[in-house]
Amino acid sequence: QVQLQESGPGLVKPSETLSLTCTVSGGSIISYNWSWIRQPAGKGLEWIGRIYISGSTNYNPSLKSRVTMSVDTSKNQVSLKLSSVTAADTAVYYCARNHGYCTNGICYNSFDIWGQGTMVTVSS
Amino acid sequence: QSVLTQPPSVSGAPGQRVTISCTGSSSNIGAGYDVHWYQQLPGTAPKLLIYGNSNRPSGVPDRFSGSKSGTSASLAITGLQAEDEANYYCQSYDSSLSEVFGGGTKLTVL
Repeated sequence: QVQLQESGPGLVKPSETLSLTCTVSGGSIISYNWSWIRQPAGKGLEWIGRIYISGSTNYNPSLKSRVTMSVDTSKNQVSLKLSSVTAADTAVYYCARNHGYCTNGICYNSFDIWGQGTMVTVSS
Repeated sequence: QSVLTQPPSVSGAPGQRVTISCTGSSSNIGAGYDVHWYQQLPGTAPKLLIYGNSNRPSGVPDRFSGSKSGTSASLAITGLQAEDEANYYCQSYDSSLSEVFGGGTKLTVL
């Protein structure tokens, strides 16, 4: 079955760029779109953005100026970069497969497969 | 503060029925956008429980059901079991061009 594994530095200094990779195994990355979602300790979920297999992206307006997502189909990987990080960016970061469907002319995305998450702490 | 509002906590005894509400606005649920629900057990990633307001992915017990009306949605759990103790989150789309989540509801099985 499809599995997702996030990886990257667990500690990032303030003002630097957070870089994470999500490796997809058990299936091809080209069949789906992918999202990054984060969760500060003890708090709720925040959608960061989505990358379509075409390479186009949608980002959360509150993070848009600092987020870049990319896809490497040869490695079956999706990547996230978040620049100018502060302590407020400390969270568990998840990658998730988008379960897309359309109804009544509108297309929706839920998240049907998640990685285990990776903890990123922003601190000097 | 989350765009979608959920009660911080609900509780019920084994075998009982509980519901968790998710209240939005005219820019998300009230605009007709679908609602999805997730279950997050302690220390684990969220799991998709309901998509498209009321559809269960394969493997999700029919004890879990979802509904939507107006600017709100609800998740109902019948025949409550100890293993249902978890945090539950609703998700929808907002016309601000963003997926949005509720703040989460902690379900305690008494």
